[in-house]
Amino acid sequence: AQKVTQAQTEISVVEKEDVTLDCVYETRDTTYYLFWYKQPPSGELVFLIRRNSFDEQNEISGRYSWNFQKSTSSFNFTITASQVVDSAVYFCALSDLSGNTPLVFGKGTRLSVIA
Amino acid sequence: DTGVSQNPRHKITKRGQNVTFRCDPISEHNRLYWYRQTLGQGPEFLTYFQNEAQLEKSRLLSDRFSAERPKGSFSTLEIQRTEQGDSAMYLCASSFPVEYQETQYFGPGTRLLVL
Repeated sequence: AQKVTQAQTEISVVEKEDVTLDCVYETRDTTYYLFWYKQPPSGELVFLIRRNSFDEQNEISGRYSWNFQKSTSSFNFTITASQVVDSAVYFCALSDLSGNTPLVFGKGTRLSVIA
Repeated sequence: DTGVSQNPRHKITKRGQNVTFRCDPISEHNRLYWYRQTLGQGPEFLTYFQNEAQLEKSRLLSDRFSAERPKGSFSTLEIQRTEQGDSAMYLCASSFPVEYQETQYFGPGTRLLVL
C-alpha cells in the first residue's frame, strides 16, 4: 500500500526566511511519481512539480527547490526567501508509474508566512 | 486554455436531500477524477473515468454516491440521502496521460455542508 507522511502540521515563518516542508513516502512499487501541490485559501489545488523515481536530480524553480532522496524515501520542498503569498497548505502526493492508480496525498502542511 | 471548472462552488443542504455536482475538465483531457477532502486532511480518491468509462471506485464511495461521465466530457457526482458526514470539499481533477506521464490538474472544488 502507498502512504505519504507530512509530519509537520503547521509551520510559521517570518517573511524572507527559508523554510523546508518534509515529505516521506512508502511504496512497494519500484517506479512511481511524486508530486507537490499548493492549496491557497481559495481551495484550488495548484500543481507545483512532478518527479519520477528514475530521476533523483534535485530541481530548482525560482525560489522553490525540491530534494528527492530515494535512500530515505523523502521528497522535501524548500522555499527560499519566503513571501506572504506563499501562505497556503502544501500537499505531497504519490502515484505509481503505470498511470492506473490515483494520487495518494499526505495530510498537508499549513505554512503561514508573517510579514 | 481554461482550467477545470466545478459547479456549484458551495452547497448547503439538509440531511436526507440529494445533491449533484458538476465538473468540466480541461478540454481534450480524457481522464477525470473525483476526490473528497475533509478539514485538515489531504484529498482522498473517490472514483475516476477514462473517457466515459468509470475505471475505479474507492471503498469510500458508498451506494449513495454515483458518478457519471456520459459523453466523456463533463462529469456529475450525485449524493443521495445526504448525511452530515458527507460534509466536505469535493474536488475534481483531469489529466491527459502521455506514455505513462500524467499530471492531474484540479478544479476549485465544491464545498458541501449538510445540516
